[in-house]
Amino acid sequence: VIWMTQSPSLLSASTGDRVTISCRMSQGISSYLAWYQQKPGKAPELLIYAASTLQSGVPSRFSGSGSGTDFTLTISCLQSEDFATYYCQQYYSFPWTFGQGTKVEIK
Amino acid sequence: EVQLVESGGGLVKPGGSLRLSCAASGFTFSSYSMNWVRQAPGKGLEWVSSISSSSSYIYYADSVKGRFTISRDNAKNSLYLQMNSLRAEDTAVYYCARGPSGVILFDYWGQGTLVTVSS
Repeated sequence: VIWMTQSPSLLSASTGDRVTISCRMSQGISSYLAWYQQKPGKAPELLIYAASTLQSGVPSRFSGSGSGTDFTLTISCLQSEDFATYYCQQYYSFPWTFGQGTKVEIK
Repeated sequence: EVQLVESGGGLVKPGGSLRLSCAASGFTFSSYSMNWVRQAPGKGLEWVSSISSSSSYIYYADSVKGRFTISRDNAKNSLYLQMNSLRAEDTAVYYCARGPSGVILFDYWGQGTLVTVSS
């Protein structure tokens, strides 16, 4: 099983801030990492796959980086609609696992 | 437009059974793998089960293996999850999610259906 450590679990930020969320793996997964955004009461939405490829329709202020064991999701200029919970997910090996989530809240 | 609509959730007693359905539209259902992902109240996401486009490959999380059965009907554009021997810890919102062929990630999700296991 690949263990995932996502940090921080809670991030307080203001509109316009640059924020970064980290996802660390217990073993290398190449670039088989996805990021999802979930708003309260809604289903998650895919933001990024293959560690750095933006899903169609996702704003360019979102970016992903990393490979191997360390990955980062960056929001370059936080907008009001970006306050949500973010999850990483590895799809390198069975069982496919998610990080614990990072809630981005208004400071 | 891709649409995934789950149904079949509800309240069931421990040890009981429930069958979830997911109706798909807006894409060629038979070309995609399909998945179930769940989320317990106030908790994170947990992958449950996956099925390949032709049902040749099926995977289960250890937490549900032997109790849950995933299936699909490509003629009906539908995905199913038969849940038996339900436990309190199975209480969650269950999401149906589409996956690109060959990889287990989730590019479109349904709105979810709530399953509550309680006496």
